[in-house]
Amino acid sequence: DAGITQSPRHKVTETGTPVTLRCHQTENHRYMYWYRQDPGHGLRLIHYSYGVKDTDKGEVSDGYSVSRSKTEDFLLTLESATSSQTSVYFCASSRATGFFHTEAFFGQGTRLTVV
Amino acid sequence: EDKVVQSPLSLVVHEGDTVTLNCSYEVTNFRSLLWYKQEKKAPTFLFMLTSSGIEKKSGRLSSILDKKELFSILNITATQTGDSAVYLCAVEYNTDKLIFGTGTRLQVFP
Repeated sequence: DAGITQSPRHKVTETGTPVTLRCHQTENHRYMYWYRQDPGHGLRLIHYSYGVKDTDKGEVSDGYSVSRSKTEDFLLTLESATSSQTSVYFCASSRATGFFHTEAFFGQGTRLTVV
Repeated sequence: EDKVVQSPLSLVVHEGDTVTLNCSYEVTNFRSLLWYKQEKKAPTFLFMLTSSGIEKKSGRLSSILDKKELFSILNITATQTGDSAVYLCAVEYNTDKLIFGTGTRLQVFP
């Protein structure tokens, strides 16, 4: 399995506070992704990165920002947490081989509860 | 709007049955389609399909892609209770995006 870890694994926070989730990979993968998973919605892409300092929005990016200052780290920040952001967050990484990416490898997930 | 649709949403079978899971997609600049199995935690990779008509197999699991009709199927033969999971279909499209369907929840009873 690819070495990809998320921290923290569980967090409870109050509405209106900023929260940062960290994703760390040791595979030197170029691409990294943040998803949220909610019942009935599957995995939805929040933001992704295609290189250091290169990021772009996914389908549910409002209220979230990301940063990638090093290949191995991809941070997701909830600028002012809301109850609608209670979810399980997954980070993933993949590398490109020519035209295609390889499969994405996932971290174990972070369960975030906003109260 | 780019989307991936999986069916059925859930499936309950008995051990030994054969199941077929469906994934259809509408995306811009399709690159590849991937199947994942998700048990309690992180999704784990099963198959990656890029060419039409070429079946990928791994033990009792197999998958095929039809790029003309924009769908893929995942077959599981002789199901076992350990196959119980959510099966996710994902499509890589445009430059670097990976979009997932909502998944099919498979429950296999002894």
